[in-house]
Amino acid sequence: DIQMTQSPSSLSASVGDRVTITCRASQGISNSLAWYQQKPGKAPKLLLYAASRLESGVPSRFSGSGSGTDYTLTISSLQPEDFATYYCQQYYSTPPLTFGGGTKVEIK
Amino acid sequence: QVTLRESGPALVKPTQTLTLTCTFSGFSLSTSGMCVSWIRQPPGKALEWLALIDWDDDKYYSTSLKTRLTISKDTSKNQVVLTMTNMDPVDTATYYCARIDGTYDYSNYYFDYWGQGTLVTVSS
Repeated sequence: DIQMTQSPSSLSASVGDRVTITCRASQGISNSLAWYQQKPGKAPKLLLYAASRLESGVPSRFSGSGSGTDYTLTISSLQPEDFATYYCQQYYSTPPLTFGGGTKVEIK
Repeated sequence: QVTLRESGPALVKPTQTLTLTCTFSGFSLSTSGMCVSWIRQPPGKALEWLALIDWDDDKYYSTSLKTRLTISKDTSKNQVVLTMTNMDPVDTATYYCARIDGTYDYSNYYFDYWGQGTLVTVSS
């Protein structure tokens, strides 16, 4: 199975900050990567897919980049509603599918 | 409007078999490219993918749990059922079902719609 390692596991940031979260795959995944946002007690919400494609309705302050094994989620200007936990998920080839360990974004 | 809803017991005893049902609307699992998957999340921990069934009745399972899992679908009822045998307290988690829309690309195995989740506690 492809292992997904997210970093950091948590971070503290202020409103307006630029935030970057990294996801590393144990092998190349050819941009087959999705990012999700999860708030406490809620189901995850799809933010981006194919590493950099924004899901409909998601604010443009969210962006994704990367290639090969290394991918990044960036929030250009953190808003109060962005405090949440973020997960990456690889879908390279057929299942099994795997998620990263999550990054909790907290208020500084 | 796409919706998914999980249902099943809130409490199961160790060694019992868990049966969860995902009832969905707004799409058909007989449409080429459509899939439904199960994902779980232990309290305070990360998401873990469990199983997937596609429009063609192909089934895929977590490598570590495949001996305990069975996924099936009833297209006429718009339902997907997951069974997990030999439940243990470590299986305590919120269980989600989610949709994969691979209608434009069969390799798009990411989840665009999720159910609200159902918490299953394993305890004697």
